Amino acid sequence: DQQVKQNSPSLSVQEGRISILNCDYTNSMFDYFLWYKKYPAEGPTFLISISSIKDKNEDGRFTVFLNKSAKHLSLHIVPSQPGDSAVYFCAAGKSAGNKLTFGGGTRVLVKP
Amino acid sequence: DAGVIQSPRHEVTEMGQEVTLRCKPISGHDYLFWYRQTMMRGLELLIYFNNNVPIDDSGMPEDRFSAKMPNASFSTLKIQPSEPRDSAVYFCASSLGAKGVSPLHFGNGTRLTVT
Repeated sequence: DQQVKQNSPSLSVQEGRISILNCDYTNSMFDYFLWYKKYPAEGPTFLISISSIKDKNEDGRFTVFLNKSAKHLSLHIVPSQPGDSAVYFCAAGKSAGNKLTFGGGTRVLVKP
Repeated sequence: DAGVIQSPRHEVTEMGQEVTLRCKPISGHDYLFWYRQTMMRGLELLIYFNNNVPIDDSGMPEDRFSAKMPNASFSTLKIQPSEPRDSAVYFCASSLGAKGVSPLHFGNGTRLTVT
């Protein structure tokens, strides 16, 4: 069973516009959520995180929103840049442990 | 900081052969994770260690898979015998887990092809 799902396998956006990536989870015990970015032939790199006590966290062009009642989180990238073209994974974990469960990823293409 | 180091970067082997993947975590990190990435299943956790002790190996697919962490700076993932369906990218990651969930730092992976 997939506890973390990213239903959009790909997303194409024009440079300068907003990219919105979505993620849904089913396990209500998850209380910590992260987004990772992955370039080809490299490992995923940490981008931004949010704990369940918050509903928004912002870091530069990246903002993560959490809707606990809907078990949904999203990542906004504003403005999108060609260097943002990558695969983005959302991940969820429990504060009581350190393992993360990942979604299937969304491939983002930012067109110049 | 050199980051998490995995070797080899690529491994091509024939079905039935033994494969050993290696990982050096970031110095000072007390958690080490082995993940596998496939098209069908995405990134799935195989096993993780805390202070060199295996904590959860429920993701290890079969007895053909085994992992060890003999010391804080080295871990191996072994597949014996290997099968074509084991072809995937295997990632090692480490984290500092003093409090709650910490971001994982991933290596660049080992791409395994079993023919």
